[in-house]
Amino acid sequence: DTAVSQTPKYLVTQMGNDKSIKCEQNLGHDTMYWYKQDSKKFLKIMFSYNNKELIINETVPNRFSPKSPDKAHLNLHINSLELGDSAVYFCASSQDRIGYTFGSGTRLTVV
Amino acid sequence: SQQGEEDPQALSIQEGENATMNCSYKTSINNLQWYRQNSGRGLVHLILIRSNEREKHSGRLRVTLDTSKKSSSLLITASRAADTASYFCATVPNAGGTSYGKLTFGQGTILTVHP
Repeated sequence: DTAVSQTPKYLVTQMGNDKSIKCEQNLGHDTMYWYKQDSKKFLKIMFSYNNKELIINETVPNRFSPKSPDKAHLNLHINSLELGDSAVYFCASSQDRIGYTFGSGTRLTVV
Repeated sequence: SQQGEEDPQALSIQEGENATMNCSYKTSINNLQWYRQNSGRGLVHLILIRSNEREKHSGRLRVTLDTSKKSSSLLITASRAADTASYFCATVPNAGGTSYGKLTFGQGTILTVHP
């Protein structure tokens, strides 16, 4: 069983569209995250949820909206996609700041 | 802002040689972690060292931490072609609140091991 699974793996879409990326973890972790990796491979945190409560919200355009229906799921919705949103988005989960597990990433390409 | 900075940015060695990567950070940490990323893949957790530890081993990996210099190193001994990947250090701050659990990554070192 995949510990942190995110879908889709690849997403190609046109500018202006709205899209969602889903993430689920079966590790029983209490905290989930979204990270963005740019074309230079730099990884930066976007959001973090602890037990469904938003605790980290970095400087991210408000076109990005995370939603956590329960502590095992953290979805990312992006409105009005722009070319600069093209990146690889990683979901991750952790327990007590120690055991971080990352998903395999969603490669988003905006054309 | 970026917490960790790594050097070298790229390292090319022959199989069997040792590879050393360094990481520096800026603020007080709870722990520091090293991750590997193969090309086009996700991140794999390698090893975690807590702020009160100075050295840790896992197989062919050895990590050191010097909190007075705010630096860490990752040593891979007897490297193999399969070790070719990008390696990232990441720090978890001591702070709570809105920084709780926030992993801040360095720029990464691209390691190439030639057979």
